[in-house]
Amino acid sequence: AQRVTQPEKLLSVFKGAPVELKCNYSYSGSPELFWYVQYSRQRLQLLLRHISRESIKGFTADLNKGETSFHLKKPFAQEEDSAMYYCALAGGTSYGKLTFGQGTILTVHP
Amino acid sequence: NAGVTQTPKFRVLKTGQSMTLLCAQDMNHEYMYWYRQDPGMGLRLIHYSVGEGTTAKGEVPDGYNVSRLKKQNFLLGLESAAPSQTSVYFCASSYRLGGSYNEQFFGPGTRLTVL
Repeated sequence: AQRVTQPEKLLSVFKGAPVELKCNYSYSGSPELFWYVQYSRQRLQLLLRHISRESIKGFTADLNKGETSFHLKKPFAQEEDSAMYYCALAGGTSYGKLTFGQGTILTVHP
Repeated sequence: NAGVTQTPKFRVLKTGQSMTLLCAQDMNHEYMYWYRQDPGMGLRLIHYSVGEGTTAKGEVPDGYNVSRLKKQNFLLGLESAAPSQTSVYFCASSYRLGGSYNEQFFGPGTRLTVL
């Protein structure tokens, strides 16, 4: 069975501070991992995926297979980063089905 | 392109009533999914479809049925609504290119309350 755990339900930081949203997963094969974000009154959208190895809106995430983690990081948080963040996993033969973590609400204070 | 649309946006049902949620996508995606979002539990997959005429159960399928008669539409039905089905329902669509699964595109959600 696959599982995604986001240990922090709420995370508050001040503008300009570094932020790290934690994500740990359990999966026996090679997973595809994603971070999705839901801004207030907007639909859920992809932020980044580990295969792309991109930096989106200043966020990066590195897949650590040894620690089974995919933490999301940003060196300098902005107020517009305030949102709900979901870590999600797609297994190898899962037809793209996603297993989501519980979500972390990030609040960036001015 | 409208992307993924969902109908209705809000609905209040009484226990035992039935209803159908409609999801439509105009991106010619093969895969479509229905999730429910509950506080503290993230999104959980109800049912999914890998093509027209096919459906399969997800993590929490009990109490729901689905149909995909046309590629662009994916319907979620509640035959006899229960208060435990009070939730926000999201539809999503996706496609596969090469060996990887691509991003899922989500609809705006349907907020359902069962009294």
